[in-house]
Amino acid sequence: AQSVTQLDSHVSVSEGTPVLLRCNYSSSYSPSLFWYVQHPNKGLQLLLKYTSAATLVKGINGFEAEFKKSETSFHLTKPSAHMSDAAEYFCVVLFGGSQGNLIFGKGTKLSVKP
Amino acid sequence: ETGVTQTPRHLVMGMTNKKSLKCEQHLGHNAMYWYKQSAKKPLELMFVYNFKEQTENNSVPSRFSPECPNSSHLFLHLHTLQPEDSALYLCASSQVLSGKETQYFGPGTRLLVL
Repeated sequence: AQSVTQLDSHVSVSEGTPVLLRCNYSSSYSPSLFWYVQHPNKGLQLLLKYTSAATLVKGINGFEAEFKKSETSFHLTKPSAHMSDAAEYFCVVLFGGSQGNLIFGKGTKLSVKP
Repeated sequence: ETGVTQTPRHLVMGMTNKKSLKCEQHLGHNAMYWYKQSAKKPLELMFVYNFKEQTENNSVPSRFSPECPNSSHLFLHLHTLQPEDSALYLCASSQVLSGKETQYFGPGTRLLVL
């Protein structure tokens, strides 16, 4: 079965320290992978996407993610957290090339302490 | 971002009311989507429209009725809703070509059913 798992429902970091949000997927196909961010009372904003080009993908606001096929992972990282990064982050997988066949993770809430 | 707009942003309705959610995309896309985001649950795809034709209905109750009059507009008509229908309803759009296209989301309508 195709699925996506975000391993942490809540991550708390101090401002200026690195961020790691973990995501694993299960698929028999080669998927397209996305990270979206949702700030309070806002819609989903695309951070970055992987579509079978370079395995290290750079996104907006200093975030990046690395696709590791052997580990079926697509973890999101940022070297130094900023207060404005506090939000909920969703790992999303598009399977099989079918339109609309997006699978969302349950989300990871990132808190940033001053 | 104004690529995908949704109105109203907030809606409170009784169980006997009839209301409609509106979504408009200004990106020239040919596909539009309705999602439901409930607390502590992954996003759920409700409906997909491709070239104004409904191509997917994920077992959504008939009290939710979508309408797509053209490729830029999408409505979700609501009637006799239940309190458990309270959620954030997100609209998205994409340009379908190969099936790996990014979906762009609106800010959502936060619905409360009393």
